[in-house]
Amino acid sequence: EAGVTQSPTHLIKTRGQQATLRCSPISGHTSVYWYQQALGLGLQFLLWYDEGEERNRGNFPPRFSGRQFPNYSSELNVNALELEDSALYLCASSGEGVLHYGYTFGSGTRLTVV
Amino acid sequence: EDKVVQSPLSLVVHEGDTVTLNCSYEVTNFRSLLWYKQEKKAPTFLFMLTSSGIEKKSGRLSSILDKKELFSILNITATQTGDSAVYLCAVGGSSGSARQLTFGSGTQLTVLP
Repeated sequence: EAGVTQSPTHLIKTRGQQATLRCSPISGHTSVYWYQQALGLGLQFLLWYDEGEERNRGNFPPRFSGRQFPNYSSELNVNALELEDSALYLCASSGEGVLHYGYTFGSGTRLTVV
Repeated sequence: EDKVVQSPLSLVVHEGDTVTLNCSYEVTNFRSLLWYKQEKKAPTFLFMLTSSGIEKKSGRLSSILDKKELFSILNITATQTGDSAVYLCAVGGSSGSARQLTFGSGTQLTVLP
C-alpha cells in the first residue's frame, strides 16, 4: 500500500511569491490534514479537509489556503510568502480508523523563503 | 484554547539508560492521546491511548494515560542510539472534533553510544 506522498520534497521561493504544495493521501482515506513545523517547534495545525470540504483551519492568516480534489488529494497554497513561512509542511491522512490508528504522515515539503 | 505540553524539551542519555517523557493536556473534548516518533521528517505512529490506567507496550517502549490528572508518560527502557528522535504527543478531540489532533512541541531525545 502506498503511503502519503507529498511533492515537491524541497521548494525555494523568494519573499512575496506564491508556493503550491501537494499531497496524495493513502488510498481509501478521505481526510487530509496540513501542519506547519518550523525549526525547533512542534506541529502547528493549518487545515483539515474531508470529503472535499474544509472542516477546520488553524490560527494562520488567509494567505494560507488550500483545497481537496474529488480523488481526495490536496493542495496547500501560500500567497505573499514571508521569511517566517520557511518550515517543513507535513500532510497527513486518515480514514474511518482515525480513532484507533491516528494519522499517517507524508515525508513533508521543506519550504525555504529567501 | 486546547493545549498539549511536553517535557522535557530535550534529553541526552547514554545507551542502556531508561527515559520517561511527559505529556500533559487540556482539551475541550478528549477522545484519545497518541505518541509519534519523528526521526527525520515523517512522524511515525507509536501508540494510541483512550482508557485511563491501561499500559500499552511495544518492545522497550510503553505508555500509560491518566485521564484524571490529564497526562501521559512514554517510557523507553534500555535505550539505543536508534531511539534518538523527536517524540511527539498529540491529543484528539480538540476544537470539538475527535478527528483533529493537537500536537505538543515534542521532546528531542539524543542517545549517546
